[in-house]
Amino acid sequence: KQEVTQIPAALSVPEGENLVLNCSFTDSAIYNLQWFRQDPGKGLTSLLLIQSSQREQTSGRLNASLDKSSGRSTLYIAASQPGDSATYLCAVNIPGANNLFFGTGTRLTVIP
Amino acid sequence: DAGVIQSPRHEVTEMGQEVTLRCKPISGHDYLFWYRQTMMRGLELLIYFNNNVPIDDSGMPEDRFSAKMPNASFSTLKIQPSEPRDSAVYFCASSFGEIQAFFGQGTRLTVV
Repeated sequence: KQEVTQIPAALSVPEGENLVLNCSFTDSAIYNLQWFRQDPGKGLTSLLLIQSSQREQTSGRLNASLDKSSGRSTLYIAASQPGDSATYLCAVNIPGANNLFFGTGTRLTVIP
Repeated sequence: DAGVIQSPRHEVTEMGQEVTLRCKPISGHDYLFWYRQTMMRGLELLIYFNNNVPIDDSGMPEDRFSAKMPNASFSTLKIQPSEPRDSAVYFCASSFGEIQAFFGQGTRLTVV
C-alpha cells in the first residue's frame, strides 16, 4: 500500500525566508503528485500538480519538484509571507486506482 | 462555476441518528470522491464515482455508511446509525478525468 510521509509536521519561519517542505512516498509507480493547501476549517486548494513524466512545476513563488526514483517531492516557497500560513499536504495518485493517498501535512506558520 | 458545494457545513447529531451529507460537484466533472479527515488518520478516500457509478467503495468503513449519486450534479453520503467515532470532516471532491481534484469546503460532523 502506498504510504506518504511529510516532514516536518510543523514549521515556523520569519517572513521573507525561503523554505522547503518535504514529501516522500513508498511506491514510485505513481500517476501524478499534487500539493494542496488547507486553511483552518476550510477545504483543500490544489496548488501544483506534477505528472509522473515531469520533474517540476512552478506557480508564482511556489516550485514543486518530483524525483520518482527516490520517492520524493519538495515544495519550495520563496519569500514567504504571513498569508502562506496554512497546512500543506502532498498526495500521490497511483495508476488505475484513482485514489489520492495523502500525507499528514506540514503546518506552516510565517511570522510577521 | 462556484466550485464543489457541500452542505451542511456543520452537523451536530446524537448517536444513533441518521446523518446525510450532500455534495454538488463542478459541472462537467465525471469523477466524484468522498473523503474523511481525522486527526488520527488524516485524509482517507471513502468511495468514488465515475459517471455516477460507484467504482471503489473499499474505503467505506462499515455498512452503516452508504453513498449515492443519482445524477451528475448531486451525491449524498449517509451514515445510519451514527456513532461518536464517525466525528470527522467529510470532504467531497470532483475531477474531470484522473487529473486534478477540486475539493469542497467540507462538512464538520460531530456525533455526541
